[in-house]
Order: sequence, then structure tokens, then C-alpha cells
Amino acid sequence: GAGVSQTPSNKVTEKGKYVELRCDPISGHTALYWYRQSLGQGPEFLIYFQGTGAADDSGLPNDRFFAVRPEGSVSTLKIQRTERGDSAVYLCASSLGGEAFFGQGTRLTVV
Amino acid sequence: DQQVKQNSPSLSVQEGRISILNCDYTNSMFDYFLWYKKYPAEGPTFLISISSIKDKNEDGRFTVFLNKSAKHLSLHIVPSQPGDSAVYFCAARGNSGGSNYKLTFGKGTLLTVNP
Repeated sequence: GAGVSQTPSNKVTEKGKYVELRCDPISGHTALYWYRQSLGQGPEFLIYFQGTGAADDSGLPNDRFFAVRPEGSVSTLKIQRTERGDSAVYLCASSLGGEAFFGQGTRLTVV
Repeated sequence: DQQVKQNSPSLSVQEGRISILNCDYTNSMFDYFLWYKKYPAEGPTFLISISSIKDKNEDGRFTVFLNKSAKHLSLHIVPSQPGDSAVYFCAARGNSGGSNYKLTFGKGTLLTVNP
């Protein structure tokens, strides 16, 4: 596609449930990033993939968060045992070494 | 500890006037700076960037100035247009420990351009 696509746009889940957020990067972009934006804050780095491997996952808040990119294209961010504090907009971005292009984000609400 | 600070949560200007958005940073390892623009319900869109070897970069109505000694950068928009109304994020990228991919963002400044 023309840009970074994220699905779903909105996700409401109950506390304790498992969620998956999907990111389709720009075709050919080798680098993929996940960021999280909480209310009133700027985006905060979560994880960076170069190809299929997670080159830096230092921003993941705890072991309930995990992300994969098995074929070096689509990525899935997985959150186990969701908590209300996980509510935020989750942004995916991709790049080819230059500026990062962001998707529209997935707004996750944990109730 | 905020490494990138945008101290003005909001700014309001008249159409046709200059908008100046400010950003300060604390990490001296940052060597590349970017501005992103964000409309509601959309992701951030890249606007303009500047390398630490330069002190100015211009692209149409947008100019970014970098003062390394003061660890300060600013985005100038002139003339401002109502369509420029959005949240503007300052972001920085460093080159320490091979982390030249990770962006550190400020909290953003909401710019409103009044007709």
C-alpha cells in the first residue's frame, strides 16, 4: 500500500484479556518501529525491527508485551493480561534508513 | 526525565503571521532532529529535519533553526495558514551505542492558526 496501515483503528478490551495489534509497513521498508502515545504525551519508543529480528526491544514496558515480524514485513504487537494503564494509541512506523513514516495508530482502551 | 522538551503546550497565531515553535533537548548525543505534524486521529507526519552539522534548514514555508550550544531548536512557519493547525512534535535521534534509529519525542505543541 501507499502508507503504513494499522489495524484495528480502535480496540476496546476488558482488563485481563489478550490483544493483538497489526502493522503493515510501507512495501520494501526494512525498518519497523512500534511507539506508544499516552494522553498528553509524545510517542514513546517500544521496539525496533530490522528485517525479521527485534534489534532493540528496550522500550517494552514489561514481559506482557511482545512483538513479532516473522517475514520481515507485517508486524504484530501482542499484549497479554491487559491492564487499564495499557490504554494508549499504539503507533507503528517504517523506514528505509531515513525518516520514519507513521501509521494512523490503534487506539487501545482497556476497561 | 524528559530529554526533549516542548515547554509550550499550545500556541495561537493569526493567519499570515509567523508561528514559532520551540524545543529544547538535554542529551548532547542527539545529532539529528525532526519535526512531525499530527492531525487528530492520524499518525504523525514528517515535516522537516536538521542534522547537527547545520544550523538552518528551509523547506518552503517551514524553517528549522538549531542552536547546538543552547541545545535548542525552533520551527518557523511563515506565513501561517489555518491548515497548519495541528499538534507539532519535536523529535531527536542520537548516534550513541548504535541507537541512531530511536526517536525521542517531546510532548507536542498544539498550534491554532486563526483565520
